[in-house]
Amino acid sequence: EVQLVESGGGRVQPGGSLRLSCVASGFTFNDFAMHWVRHVPGKGLEWVSGISWNTDTIGYADSVRGRFTVTRDNAKNSLYLEMNSLARADTAVYYCARSPGGYSLPRFDIWGQGTLVTVSS
Amino acid sequence: DIQMTQSPSSLSASVGDRVTITCRASQNIRNYVNWYQQKPGKAPQLLIYVTSNLRSGVPSRFSGGGSGTDFTLTVGTLQPDDFATYYCQQAYSSPWTFGQGTQLEI
Repeated sequence: EVQLVESGGGRVQPGGSLRLSCVASGFTFNDFAMHWVRHVPGKGLEWVSGISWNTDTIGYADSVRGRFTVTRDNAKNSLYLEMNSLARADTAVYYCARSPGGYSLPRFDIWGQGTLVTVSS
Repeated sequence: DIQMTQSPSSLSASVGDRVTITCRASQNIRNYVNWYQQKPGKAPQLLIYVTSNLRSGVPSRFSGGGSGTDFTLTVGTLQPDDFATYYCQQAYSSPWTFGQGTQLEI
């Protein structure tokens, strides 16, 4: 079964840090670009970051650039998101998502179940 | 950044109705738009990619159209399972942006 499973979410104080992980199974991980997308409760979807299969291309939303870092370990079929200087506006459900083909022209065809990040004092 | 504006923001309909959701891009994105369905507490699911390509396993009552800046998602005959929130997403240039969503309600 093709699957993505996120972990690492939780409650953190403003200014704190978290590291999200996403483990892939059921497909050849290094054939796909991978992305992080978040959903603010009661609001819409926001693309956060993406990384090509070979890490040559990495992108960030303006709202997280300089604070978040995306990495992947193809040997471990894993995607990561290091989040620093967290703010209340970062409170959301974070999804990892797969995109066939290269980094460009993404379509997110497989999603994880999501992990909730709550930034609160 | 490319802005994606959906209309309406919410839509009331009945089983058996035909509904259309519109998405407008702030600049020409050729045909690089995808559509997703999301139900409460669940991850989004890809329905249509590159304007009109139906993802495998998605019912044929879903269809997409448009080009340039104006795009549509149509559900031909609403089924109970279709009541959800729908999002468009542009795949033309990074950052990859979504519309604000259309909540389809009974």
